[in-house]
Amino acid sequence: DTGVSQNPRHKITKRGQNVTFRCDPISEHNRLYWYRQTLGQGPEFLTYFQNEAQLEKSRLLSDRFSAERPKGSFSTLEIQRTEQGDSAMYLCASSLEAGPRGEQFFGPGTRLTVL
Amino acid sequence: GQNIDQPTEMTATEGAIVQINCTYQTSGFNGLFWYQQHAGEAPTFLSYNVLDGLEEKGRFSSFLSRSKGYSYLLLKELQMKDSASYLCAASGGYQKVTFGIGTKLQVIP
Repeated sequence: DTGVSQNPRHKITKRGQNVTFRCDPISEHNRLYWYRQTLGQGPEFLTYFQNEAQLEKSRLLSDRFSAERPKGSFSTLEIQRTEQGDSAMYLCASSLEAGPRGEQFFGPGTRLTVL
Repeated sequence: GQNIDQPTEMTATEGAIVQINCTYQTSGFNGLFWYQQHAGEAPTFLSYNVLDGLEEKGRFSSFLSRSKGYSYLLLKELQMKDSASYLCAASGGYQKVTFGIGTKLQVIP
């Protein structure tokens, strides 16, 4: 399967702990996006990479959040000192830079529960 | 900034036609996406409109009016499996995509 993959699929942690999620985009896709989605809401944009460069970061992303894409392939999203409000589904998506429609393909998501 | 408005819930009958409307206000607008999302799953792409007009793809069609900041998704011959949330999303600078809250469609027999 060559779709977007995310690991882990579920993560339960205690408040104050650090967590890291991984996203592997479709191999030829240059652009990678992170979103957060809570129940009953649409995905909220967090940050975006073109190759290894982080081009945009939402104001929603406090300094406890950091994302990297060191080699322009997979990406990691780290949340430090987690809070209960961080509980959400974290979605990763990728797209072709010169894609015909800029369609973003989503991974299955990582569901985070902070106790 | 970007603002997306769409109804939160709709109900329609199996076999019928339903239209889900979306209005948007955005800077640097590139195009308008529609995604389908079943409960507990990731969104899946349905359509992307860049130019004004109607684009048809099987039972699903999507319309865009750039001057009015308006789009709709038309679903024909509704099936029970079409029960899902339908997300309207506007693409802006750097292909940043802003999603609406989604319209939860319930298809009833």
